[in-house]
Amino acid sequence: QVQLQESGPGLVKPSQTLSLACTVSGGSISSGDFYWSWIRQHPGKGLEWIGYIRYSDSTYYSPSLKSRVTISKDTSKNQFSLRLSSVTAADTAVYYCARGEARFDYWGQGTLVTVSS
Amino acid sequence: SSELTQDPAVSVALGQTVRITCQGDILRSYYASWYQQKPGQAPLLVMYGKDNRPSGVPDRFSGSSSGNTASLTITGAQAEDEAAYHCNSRDGSATHVVFGGGTKLTVL
Repeated sequence: QVQLQESGPGLVKPSQTLSLACTVSGGSISSGDFYWSWIRQHPGKGLEWIGYIRYSDSTYYSPSLKSRVTISKDTSKNQFSLRLSSVTAADTAVYYCARGEARFDYWGQGTLVTVSS
Repeated sequence: SSELTQDPAVSVALGQTVRITCQGDILRSYYASWYQQKPGQAPLLVMYGKDNRPSGVPDRFSGSSSGNTASLTITGAQAEDEAAYHCNSRDGSATHVVFGGGTKLTVL
């Protein structure tokens, strides 16, 4: 059974960089043709796709966030990570990691990141 | 357009059938996936492709698609089906993803 777990600071100051990691257990992120995604949800709102990284390291990002987003992976830790730069209050959301690129079959529990000084 | 539109809220009487829809031109090219999300929980995949249910999803959930509309149908809705339901699909680039705004289902 694949499990994902987000980790990282719950509070980030405006203009700084949000950094989250997703640790995957029950499967290797470097095996199979799997994609590893980040998705966020603003309070009381719908889901917003941020981007994904493929097993081959190719990445795809939401056009609206592309200039600020980097997704990478560390196969030695079986983790993939999200960096979102120059954050504002509008980036306050629950951030989820998930497996998939259009069909997301495994999700982390989500982590709330608040942007505030 | 790659936008997906969902009704914000839908209600159904206990034991009755409800259809939750997701509309968008991109659905003429790609199937939608559907997720159930209960308060404080992560989304759960309940339907994908033409009409595929992941293991463990009750068979009262079914999916369909016609033209620019994808539908998730719950036949005999139960109290535990009360949740938000989100649809998503690839967008026109085929490499990006778009979500609908979500539908809050109330079981009366």
